[in-house]
Amino acid sequence: GENVEQHPSTLSVQEGDSAVIKCTYSDSASNYFPWYKQELGKRPQLIIDIRSNVGEKKDQRIAVTLNKTAKHFSLHITETQPEDSAVYFCAAPDMGRRALTFGSGTRLQVQP
Amino acid sequence: DSGVTQTPKHLITATGQRVTLRCSPRSGDLSVYWYQQSLDQGLQFLIQYYNGEERAKGNILERFSAQQFPDLHSELNLSSLELGDSALYFCASSKPAGGSHNEQFFGPGTRLTVL
Repeated sequence: GENVEQHPSTLSVQEGDSAVIKCTYSDSASNYFPWYKQELGKRPQLIIDIRSNVGEKKDQRIAVTLNKTAKHFSLHITETQPEDSAVYFCAAPDMGRRALTFGSGTRLQVQP
Repeated sequence: DSGVTQTPKHLITATGQRVTLRCSPRSGDLSVYWYQQSLDQGLQFLIQYYNGEERAKGNILERFSAQQFPDLHSELNLSSLELGDSALYFCASSKPAGGSHNEQFFGPGTRLTVL
């Protein structure tokens, strides 16, 4: 099955700085890579996703890059704000089970 | 609001008991997924149903079972509960394609506490 590794587990940045979270996956057939944001006690919410036919996708202050050769993808948040503080999860499809495998999560703390 | 509903929001029970968690997917979604999230842990995939049939199985214990009904709502049954089963249980639904390649919309979760 798919194995997704996510780093770092915690990340603290100053407001206005950039934050980068990285994930690697094992199944070379995987072709869909979503990122979810989960605030304390709330449900995970999709913030951005990328499919394997593109290398980068942007949505305002967030972007995701994908390197299929190296089997890794990253989330980039620019001009961070306190409301960006949350746990972020990456995911990749387990092509055998046809379900998403989630990374272990990154707790992002944006210091005002 | 994702359009996915889960009941109850909170559940407190004792070891050895059995509980049922309920999920209603978004209108038009045929796939339902169940996840377990223990304290400060990631999302562990349990099981997926598509249009009433089991589609994929994750790390689901034998004490746990699920089903999806003709009206597409789903129930997760947890029996012989242990302290370690205390967790947030999320349900998610996705578009009719039923594959893993579509956005999954998560419900608000059910917080289960086993005493």
